Amino acid sequence: DVVLTQTPVSLLISLGGQASISCRSSQSLVHSNGNTYLHWYLQKPGQSPQLLIYQVSNRFSGIPDRFSGSGSGTDFTLKISRVEPEDLGVYYCLQRTHNPFTFGSGTKLEIK
Amino acid sequence: QVQLKESGPGLVQPSQTLSLTCTVSGFSLTSYHVSWVRQPPGKGLEWMGVIWTGGSTAYNSLLKSRLSISRDISKSQVFLKMNSLQTEDTATYYCARERGGAPDYWGQGVMVTVSS
Repeated sequence: DVVLTQTPVSLLISLGGQASISCRSSQSLVHSNGNTYLHWYLQKPGQSPQLLIYQVSNRFSGIPDRFSGSGSGTDFTLKISRVEPEDLGVYYCLQRTHNPFTFGSGTKLEIK
Repeated sequence: QVQLKESGPGLVQPSQTLSLTCTVSGFSLTSYHVSWVRQPPGKGLEWMGVIWTGGSTAYNSLLKSRLSISRDISKSQVFLKMNSLQTEDTATYYCARERGGAPDYWGQGVMVTVSS
């Protein structure tokens, strides 16, 4: 199975600051069709996960441009600029290229 | 608008079978895949399986022997059945619509406790 390693485990960021989360895969996430099915989610306390970024770098509907995704192959990054209070929660990456589809173990973002 | 809602028993006895229903609205099951994902208390997310628009399914290999996902298109419902439940199956179970290979809209989740 594909293992997604997320770092760091937790982040303490000041309001207005920038956060960066890494997601490294044990295998290339480039699908045979050429797409890379690596997505990012935020799970706010007590809520369901919400999609932020799909296929590496595409923001989902309604997601502010403070959120950006990048990467290729096995290395991916989520950046959050101008951190706001509503950004707190646990961030997960998900790979949908190889069955079974797998999530990273999560990165908890806390606000100073 | 797109909505998904999970329903099912909150408590299941060990060794019994879990049956959950995901009722969707705002989209057709013949146009979007639906996945099931679970989350044990205080832990991370685990993908369980998916039912594709054509009705075929794919499962997490760790759960495949115990898991079945089906649907009723006319009722806009997706079903999850998992047998031989153990305490480690205690979790919140989510269903989610898929678009572009990404679960985009999620239900609120249903908490299932496995206990005698």
